[in-house]
Amino acid sequence: GQNIDQPTEMTATEGAIVQINCTYQTSGFNGLFWYQQHAGEAPTFLSYNVLDGLEEKGRFSSFLSRSKGYSYLLLKELQMKDSASYLCAVRRETGANNLFFGTGTRLTVIP
Amino acid sequence: DSGVTQTPKHLITATGQRVTLRCSPRSGDLSVYWYQQSLDQGLQFLIQYYNGEERAKGNILERFSAQQFPDLHSELNLSSLELGDSALYFCASTPWGRPTDNYGYTFGSGTRLTVV
Repeated sequence: GQNIDQPTEMTATEGAIVQINCTYQTSGFNGLFWYQQHAGEAPTFLSYNVLDGLEEKGRFSSFLSRSKGYSYLLLKELQMKDSASYLCAVRRETGANNLFFGTGTRLTVIP
Repeated sequence: DSGVTQTPKHLITATGQRVTLRCSPRSGDLSVYWYQQSLDQGLQFLIQYYNGEERAKGNILERFSAQQFPDLHSELNLSSLELGDSALYFCASTPWGRPTDNYGYTFGSGTRLTVV
């Protein structure tokens, strides 16, 4: 089976940096995705990691360590509009062809 | 607009009733995935179809069923509805049978089902 853990809630200040962690246990790992989801809306793609290391995309970066089953999403220069849930999802190499999602981390950005 | 269309956007119905949720995938996508998201819960995988055939099944209740039609749109049927079935139901699509490297899925905007 799969197990994906993320903190339930985080709060950070506008302009600051926040790191959202995700740990996973799965067989046949083949990639980790981060999505942003505003309340009541569809998830939107943020980043994808399949190899170890850091992927940077503007204010957002994502890191993966396959040996540790660990990823984080780094958000810099936080803006109020970044208040949302951040979902970590794992893709497996074989077997089920769907993504397995964590419960998400609800980030609140305060002035 | 993601290109994945879900209807209706909102649905309110009584316990014991049956409803049908509809999803049209992005143009050219062959695979459709259905997910349920209850309050404060993660996205729970229900079922996947690829080019008209069932490809994978998750924690889908026996009261729920789905199908994908020749024009590739999909319908999720929920019957004998219970209060606990109230949730957001998302449809997602991909070009082939697996989440892509570039973006994983393209999600629709969801159907919010309220059972009263």
